[in-house]
Amino acid sequence: AQRVTQPEKLLSVFKGAPVELKCNYSYSGSPELFWYVQYSRQRLQLLLRHISRESIKGFTADLNKGETSFHLKKPFAQEEDSAMYYCALRKTQGGSEKLVFGKGTKLTVNP
Amino acid sequence: GAGVSQSPSNKVTEKGKDVELRCDPISGHTALYWYRQSLGQGLEFLIYFQGNSAPDKSGLPSDRFSAERTGGSVSTLTIQRTQQEDSAVYLCASSLQAGANEQFFGPGTRLTVL
Repeated sequence: AQRVTQPEKLLSVFKGAPVELKCNYSYSGSPELFWYVQYSRQRLQLLLRHISRESIKGFTADLNKGETSFHLKKPFAQEEDSAMYYCALRKTQGGSEKLVFGKGTKLTVNP
Repeated sequence: GAGVSQSPSNKVTEKGKDVELRCDPISGHTALYWYRQSLGQGLEFLIYFQGNSAPDKSGLPSDRFSAERTGGSVSTLTIQRTQQEDSAVYLCASSLQAGANEQFFGPGTRLTVL
C-alpha cells in the first residue's frame, strides 16, 4: 500500500534562513507527488507538483526515486510562508484517483 | 461560484444522531472527493466520485458512512448514528476530470459529536 511520511510535525526557522520540509513515500509503482499548503484560516491549496518541475513562491521540490523522497525547499524563508504543509501521492496505475497525504508539517517562520 | 463550497461550516450534534454534509463542486468538474482531517491523523481519503458513480469508496471507515452524488454535481456525505470519534473536519475537493493534476478543496465542515 502507498504511504507518505512527513517526519517533522513542527518546523521553526528564522526569516531569511533556508528551509527544507521532508517527505518520503512508499509506493511500488511510479507515483505522482504533490505539495499542498494550508495558510491560517484558508482552504487547502496546491503548491506544486513534481511533473511540472516548477518553482512556486520560491519553493522547489525534486522527486528522488532512489531515496523515495520529495522534499520541499526554499533558500530564504519569509514570514508569510508560515503554514501547514502536506505532501501527497497519487497512484498512476490501478484507477484510483485519491490522494494519500502525509500528516503534515507546521512551518513557523520567525521574524 | 468561485470555488468548492460546503455546508454547513460547523455542525454540533449529539452522539447517536445522523448528520448530512453537503458539497457543491466547481461547475463542470466531473471528479469529486471526500477527505477527513482529524487531529493527529492528517488527511484521510473517504470516497471518490466520477460523475455519479463511486469507483473508490475504500476509505469509508464503517457502514455508518455513505455518500451520494446526483446530477454529476452536488454530493452529500451522510453519517448515521454518529460517534465521538467521528468528530473531524470533513473536506470536499473537485477536479476537472479524473486524473487531473489539481484537486480544488472546499473550506470544510467541522463536525463535533458530543
